[in-house]
Amino acid sequence: QKEVEQNSGPLSVPEGAIASLNCTYSDRGSQSFFWYRQYSGKSPELIMFIYSNGDKEDGRFTAQLNKASQYVSLLIRDSQPSDSATYLCAVYNNNDMRFGAGTRLTVKP
Amino acid sequence: GAGVSQSPSNKVTEKGKDVELRCDPISGHTALYWYRQRLGQGLEFLIYFQGNSAPDKSGLPSDRFSAERTGESVSTLTIQRTQQEDSAVYLCASSRWTGGPGELFFGEGSRLTVL
Repeated sequence: QKEVEQNSGPLSVPEGAIASLNCTYSDRGSQSFFWYRQYSGKSPELIMFIYSNGDKEDGRFTAQLNKASQYVSLLIRDSQPSDSATYLCAVYNNNDMRFGAGTRLTVKP
Repeated sequence: GAGVSQSPSNKVTEKGKDVELRCDPISGHTALYWYRQRLGQGLEFLIYFQGNSAPDKSGLPSDRFSAERTGESVSTLTIQRTQQEDSAVYLCASSRWTGGPGELFFGEGSRLTVL
């Protein structure tokens, strides 16, 4: 069974703080890793993806990947109330795109 | 339209009835996924189509569930003899295959309620 695990939250941070979202996966052969954001009642939308070990930055977002530890994370700097949503980690291997249950983030003004 | 289109957006049915959900992917997207999302839960993989290859049906929860796709066009997800536990939002996503997975573009989902 290919598992993607996330803390369900809720994670609450004050506006302007750094939000840290974590994800672990069981399939060691996984090749690509994605973070999607889902607002309540809406469909998921891609924030960023990462393929290689290390950090990848895009604006206020940084994805971190450690394949040896089977761990991927998303940091959101200068969190805004508009970042309040559920963040879904997705892991890809051989046609198989599996999602975690998501972490619900609330950014308080 | 330019996005993934799903229909119906809402479906209320009685237990035991069959339902058919439709997904029209973005033109040119060869990969198509179906997921199920129960209230407050994550996305549960159901089935994957890639071009003319045999679909990956490993996520279908029972033989009451089936899906079809003709080439790289519309897909239909059929649920026979619906049960109350089938109530969920069914999300379809498509992707342009470029030697690996690209971004998944999701439709708005079909919300199924089984009474």
